[in-house]
Formats: sequence, C-alpha cells, structure tokens
Amino acid sequence: DGGITQSPKYLFRKEGQNVTLSCEQNLNHDAMYWYRQDPGQGLRLIYYSQIVNDFQKGDIAEGYSVSREKKESFPLTVTSAQKNPTAFYLCASSYRGGQPQHFGDGTRLSIL
Amino acid sequence: DQQVKQNSPSLSVQEGRISILNCDYTNSMFDYFLWYKKYPAEGPTFLISISSIKDKNEDGRFTVFLNKSAKHLSLHIVPSQPGDSAVYFCAASSTSLEYGNKLVFGAGTILRVKS
Repeated sequence: DGGITQSPKYLFRKEGQNVTLSCEQNLNHDAMYWYRQDPGQGLRLIYYSQIVNDFQKGDIAEGYSVSREKKESFPLTVTSAQKNPTAFYLCASSYRGGQPQHFGDGTRLSIL
Repeated sequence: DQQVKQNSPSLSVQEGRISILNCDYTNSMFDYFLWYKKYPAEGPTFLISISSIKDKNEDGRFTVFLNKSAKHLSLHIVPSQPGDSAVYFCAASSTSLEYGNKLVFGAGTILRVKS
C-alpha cells in the first residue's frame, strides 16, 4: 500500500537538544511538505520541497531545518533555536504542481 | 493576517440532517480550494476540492460550493452520519507557478453528529 510514514508517533525532547522527525513516502510524489499544528489552530507550513535537493521556507521556518537528498524522504530537524517546539507535526506529499496533498499520521513532539 | 478563516469553531448536527461548514478567504490569488477531514492523532484526509472555474462540486454525500465574488466556500454533508464527526479544515492554494503549490489552512471546525 502506498502512503506516507512518519516516525516516531510520539517524541520527547530535552531543552537545548535538536531532534529529527522522519517522513518517508512511496507514492512517487515529487513534492513534500512539513506542517505544524497547534491546539485550536490550522496547519502552518514550515518547509516544502518541490524536487530533490531543493527546498523553500514556509511561513514559520525559524528554528527548523530540512534536507531532501532522496525523493522518498524529507526529514525535519527541530533545533534548539525553536522556542516553542511542542506541537503536532505533519508531513505531506503531492505531485509537483498538483493537489491534493496527502498526509502522514503525524508526530507529536513534547518538551521534557 | 489569516488568509483563510473558518469562523465557527464547532457545529453540532442531528444524524440524518444537513451539515454546513463555512470558509472565507481574503487572497484573490487563491484559485483552488480543498476540504480535509481530521480525526484526533491522525493526519488530515482529503475530502473534496473545487477549482475557481466552477461554483459547485459533488462527491456522494459531500458538496462544495464556491462564491468567488464573496470569497466564500461551504461544504455540505447530506445526510450527516455519526462517523462524520471530526475536525474539518478548509484549505486554499494558487495554481500560479510562483506560489509553489502551497496550501493555506483555516483553523478548522469541529463537527459533532448526534445519533
């Protein structure tokens, strides 16, 4: 079955640590996206990538970094510079220039 | 500045009746609109979409209406079922190349269908 896999489902981080969230897709999609959801708010775009080895900042990129070395993978690193990292993180993918975006089941990140 | 607004945080409907979820947008560049359904601790699932060249799109129990002059769209679910209880997100995009296929989401509306 094709889909998007995010791991782990729950993640805990100590203050001052970087942490990397995994996102893998086998849908053969060119474009991948990272969103953040906070309680009572919609999804906000962190970073997106339309093609391998290229990515752009979204609306809330500060304190985050990404890489896109393979078509199937788009890991997100939450750095210690992100002041409020506790949130639900969602990864999505789509055909380049196309909709809809398909989502994984998310990773919930909490600060210890 | 919220470009996509869902002004009703929640909606409660009796099973079998119609559910109407509303969404407003401000950016005139938006020309493609989507509705997603989300259960707790899961990712959003795509429901239905509409292009700005149309004013209505139907898929089974789900119909989306678009009023471009009012910058307003709505999702109708008829008849509503208890399994429809979820958070519904409206999202907007622009097909212009410089926009990069990004989606802008509303804050969501919690729909509760009572049996």
